[in-house]
Amino acid sequence: GDSVTQMEGPVTLSEEAFLTINCTYTATGYPSLFWYVQYPGEGLQLLLKATKADDKGSNKGFEATYRKETTSFHLEKGSVQVSDSAVYFCALSDLEYGNKLVFGAGTILRVKS
Amino acid sequence: KAGVTQTPRYLIKTRGQQVTLSCSPISGHRSVSWYQQTPGQGLQFLFEYFSETQRNKGNFPGRFSGRQFSNSRSEMNVSTLELGDSALYLCASSLAPGSTGRYEQYFGPGTRLTVT
Repeated sequence: GDSVTQMEGPVTLSEEAFLTINCTYTATGYPSLFWYVQYPGEGLQLLLKATKADDKGSNKGFEATYRKETTSFHLEKGSVQVSDSAVYFCALSDLEYGNKLVFGAGTILRVKS
Repeated sequence: KAGVTQTPRYLIKTRGQQVTLSCSPISGHRSVSWYQQTPGQGLQFLFEYFSETQRNKGNFPGRFSGRQFSNSRSEMNVSTLELGDSALYLCASSLAPGSTGRYEQYFGPGTRLTVT
């Protein structure tokens, strides 16, 4: 079945450091790929998405490129802030009809000032 | 525009009891999905409803069930609770069940269920 693998955390960075969170996937079809963020005590928020190969999703300084040849969707940000501290989830959706998301395990990001 | 509302936010139940959780989607959204989040298993899809019909189902036992009403509000029910059912239950709404997640899903804050 479909699956998503994320790098384990927690990832601890200093403010203004460069962020990379690795994500690879396995899917039977041609999935859409997503990054969601979860702040403490809250539900998930969509950060960015990409629906086809070589698409780049971007939002709030975060970027991720859909790499079909390496089945990857790594999240990057050039300069992190303390307010970026959260849990980040990589996910895919593979159904022809439906919104089912398959999530990775999540990566905790801690940014220190 | 109001977001996805889930009630109650916190719940404590005893093994063997049953529980009903409620989700009110964003106005105009007709698709509702449910997810279970636990430290051990992460985020797992439970089921999705659209137009009062279950469209997709995850790999959970029959103790987990749900329904959707004509106003798109949804409830999920867990019968004969087990300790392992302790989790954060998240509801997400979207306009419709598009292909490969075409429509953005908006998540509620979740209901934290503790089974003792």
